[in-house]
Amino acid sequence: NAGVMQNPRHLVRRRGQEARLRCSPMKGHSHVYWYRQLPEEGLKFMVYLQKENIIDESGMPKERFSAEFPKEGPSILRIQQVVRGDSAAYFCASSPLGLAGELFFGEGSRLTVL
Amino acid sequence: DAKTTQPNSMESNEEEPVHLPCNHSTISGTDYIHWYRQLPSQGPEYVIHGLTSNVNNRMASLAIAEDRKSSTLILHRATLRDAAVYYCIQEGQGGKLIFGQGTELSVKP
Repeated sequence: NAGVMQNPRHLVRRRGQEARLRCSPMKGHSHVYWYRQLPEEGLKFMVYLQKENIIDESGMPKERFSAEFPKEGPSILRIQQVVRGDSAAYFCASSPLGLAGELFFGEGSRLTVL
Repeated sequence: DAKTTQPNSMESNEEEPVHLPCNHSTISGTDYIHWYRQLPSQGPEYVIHGLTSNVNNRMASLAIAEDRKSSTLILHRATLRDAAVYYCIQEGQGGKLIFGQGTELSVKP
């Protein structure tokens, strides 16, 4: 059973461009969480999704950021009109049971905004 | 905001036990305590979680105080590969994990 797959692992964008980060959860997992980690800081919760539904987006910036987890395919974290402050590592985690079990994290996608 | 308090850093010698403390004084009766660790340049890795009684697995033991306001993660024999940031996490409202700053554990050979 493959682990949580995130791609791209590294992404470079210029200010104003769009960044799309993809997360394929482990097989059978319907709960997906996105976290952001700024350099030298801890992980900040962004959004929690179950298939086709956003359960909690309290950590998402109000503008430019969106997330989806369609019925088929990976979860997508989309950042429009990126700014330098968006440079960070973005981690995705999945779980079959939400917090009743462990979360399995991917290796992260590292976004650099020039 | 994170609801747990941990020391910023700790040191250990290889092959010795390590006790990583955590305070969670605002915990409710149904909130689990979760521990994750993050090695450099990697995603967090689950270590252990528990509710009331002590828990053991192949990686570590978790000792939870009787009043549940604190807990201790125990690595029985530290190895160099255990050097990481260890996060003690109290479940946040709505079923999500809110990470704090964690404890950076260094292991000396």
